[in-house]
Amino acid sequence: GDSVTQMEGPVTLSEEACLTINCTYTATGYPSLFWYVQYPGEGLQLLLKATKADDKGSNKGFEATYRKETTSFHLEKGSVQVSDSAVYFCALWSSQAGTALIFGKGTTLSVSS
Amino acid sequence: GAGVSQSPSNKVTEKGKDVELRCDPISGHTALYWYRQSLGQGLEFLIYFQGNSAPDKSGLPSDRFSAERTGGSVSTLTIQRTQQEDSAVYLCASSFPGQPQHFGDGTRLSIL
Repeated sequence: GDSVTQMEGPVTLSEEACLTINCTYTATGYPSLFWYVQYPGEGLQLLLKATKADDKGSNKGFEATYRKETTSFHLEKGSVQVSDSAVYFCALWSSQAGTALIFGKGTTLSVSS
Repeated sequence: GAGVSQSPSNKVTEKGKDVELRCDPISGHTALYWYRQSLGQGLEFLIYFQGNSAPDKSGLPSDRFSAERTGGSVSTLTIQRTQQEDSAVYLCASSFPGQPQHFGDGTRLSIL
């Protein structure tokens, strides 16, 4: 079945460092891909999305490109801030897989000043 | 505008008791989802509603779990005879069909 694999954390960075969180997927058909972020004590917030190959989603300085050839959707940011500390989830949705989002296990990011 | 609202935000109960968790979706969203987030298991899908009907209940872990939705709006997730393994954060999300899901802040359920 469809699945999402993302790098295990925690990822610990200093402020202004570059961030990459790897995400790869397995899916039938052509899924939509998402990154969600969960700040401490809160629910999930949609960070960015891409619905077809070569689309680039971006928001708040984060970006990710839908790469069909490598089945990847890596999250990147050029300069992280302390306020970016959170858990990041990669997810896919495919009408062929059903109605629910399929999530990776989440990657915890901790940024220190 | 108002987001997805869940109540209570925290619930502590004794093993064997029944609990009800409530979700108020974003107005106009016809699709509603329940997920469970627990340590070591990540985010698990429980049930999906389109309007008041539940075409996908495939994620409900046992017959102790049930959910309903009335008026195409509020949904209640009920867990009967709670067990310690039911301890988790229960997340509700809503959306227009096929559109990104918007999540509430969840209910943290602790079974003693």
